[in-house]
Amino acid sequence: DTGVSQNPRHKITKRGQNVTFRCDPISEHNRLYWYRQTLGQGPEFLTYFQNEAQLEKSRLLSDRFSAERPKGSFSTLEIQRTEQGDSAMYLCASSLSEEKGPQHFGDGTRLSIL
Amino acid sequence: AQKVTQAQTEISVVEKEDVTLDCVYETRDTTYYLFWYKQPPSGELVFLIRRNSFDEQNEISGRYSWNFQKSTSSFNFTITASQVVDSAVYFCALSGYSSASKIIFGSGTRLSIRP
Repeated sequence: DTGVSQNPRHKITKRGQNVTFRCDPISEHNRLYWYRQTLGQGPEFLTYFQNEAQLEKSRLLSDRFSAERPKGSFSTLEIQRTEQGDSAMYLCASSLSEEKGPQHFGDGTRLSIL
Repeated sequence: AQKVTQAQTEISVVEKEDVTLDCVYETRDTTYYLFWYKQPPSGELVFLIRRNSFDEQNEISGRYSWNFQKSTSSFNFTITASQVVDSAVYFCALSGYSSASKIIFGSGTRLSIRP
């Protein structure tokens, strides 16, 4: 069990640029979740995949955000035209559907917008 | 709407003291899950426990114990004989019982254990 892997660990970019993060879930997990965590707060749900299907999106996920899981394995989260408010830790989690949790989290990608 | 409140923002105790982290939740669901996660300075969220709403039995795992009281909508976490390695941010969380079940997190309690 190699755990949930996220890349990169840190991303620094200028406002207005596009960024893409990758998440590799635990291999047998068919559910994949994205969360965002700002300083001093708990993680907030962004979106969720069951295999390759994106089944739920939070209102936090503006039209500048897009997530994909094309083959039901790894997932990418892209933010277009980044804004200062996008600075946060982006966390990925995965789980088995039969368990209905618990979700196992990766180390996250910390995004800093200059 | 679902909500988790952790009123204690920060707690600091001396090593070997017992410490209790409070958690109060709100949900309209009749069935749900409750969780505790630990986030050490390294940043990874570490799963500690999941409890379903049918089971109000308290649980003990080593120095950790959890007290679930449905009547007061609380799910408190006690660390006995705390150690410096317990220093972390602890999150209480809630999810529905249905299959998707995004997790709703509280704002966390930062626990510092002083040697």
